Amino acid sequence: AQSVAQPEDQVNVAEGNPLTVKCTYSVSGNPYLFWYVQYPNRGLQFLLKYITGDNLVKGSYGFEAEFNKSQTSFHLKKPSALVSDSALYFCAVRAQRDDKIIFGKGTRLHILP
Amino acid sequence: SAVISQKPSRDICQRGTSLTIQCQVDSQVTMMFWYRQQPGQSLTLIATANQGSEATYESGFVIDKFPISRPNLTFSTLTVSNMSPEDSSIYLCSVRGAKNIQYFGAGTRLSVL
Repeated sequence: AQSVAQPEDQVNVAEGNPLTVKCTYSVSGNPYLFWYVQYPNRGLQFLLKYITGDNLVKGSYGFEAEFNKSQTSFHLKKPSALVSDSALYFCAVRAQRDDKIIFGKGTRLHILP
Repeated sequence: SAVISQKPSRDICQRGTSLTIQCQVDSQVTMMFWYRQQPGQSLTLIATANQGSEATYESGFVIDKFPISRPNLTFSTLTVSNMSPEDSSIYLCSVRGAKNIQYFGAGTRLSVL
């Protein structure tokens, strides 16, 4: 069965500092991996995905994520955090042969001015 | 990207009544999904709705409680039947677009009294 773990309920980072939001996954076969962001009273917005190819993928708003197959991780990163990055972030996984995306429980990111 | 419109954006309903949520997509899509996001929690898949076939429900969700229609490739409805306070959640429509990216509507925020 597929699963996604986001070990941190909340991450606090000072503005201008680098940020990391952690995600590990479990899936049979090769994974499709995603990061989404949810602002208050909004739906989910797609940030980036890993399907195949380079392990480092770049996405919207300066975010990037690194796929690590041996550690089954897909951590979200940004070199310099902005206050506007404060939101709820979801990691998600889909097995290539499956239609369903499974979401992690979410990590609330607080960027402190 | 796909643009998804959901109606209503929010509603307050009485116990025992039903609410139908509409989802309109600006392009034709094969796969549509309905999710529930309970307060402070992650997204849980309710069902997958493909045009021309019966919806496929996930464990814990049944058609009598959450009937779904999918009359064409741009539209779907989810009905929450015989509501109770436990049904208070955000309900999200989602579609799979190009490049295996899944897009989400802004959601319907439902409160049941």
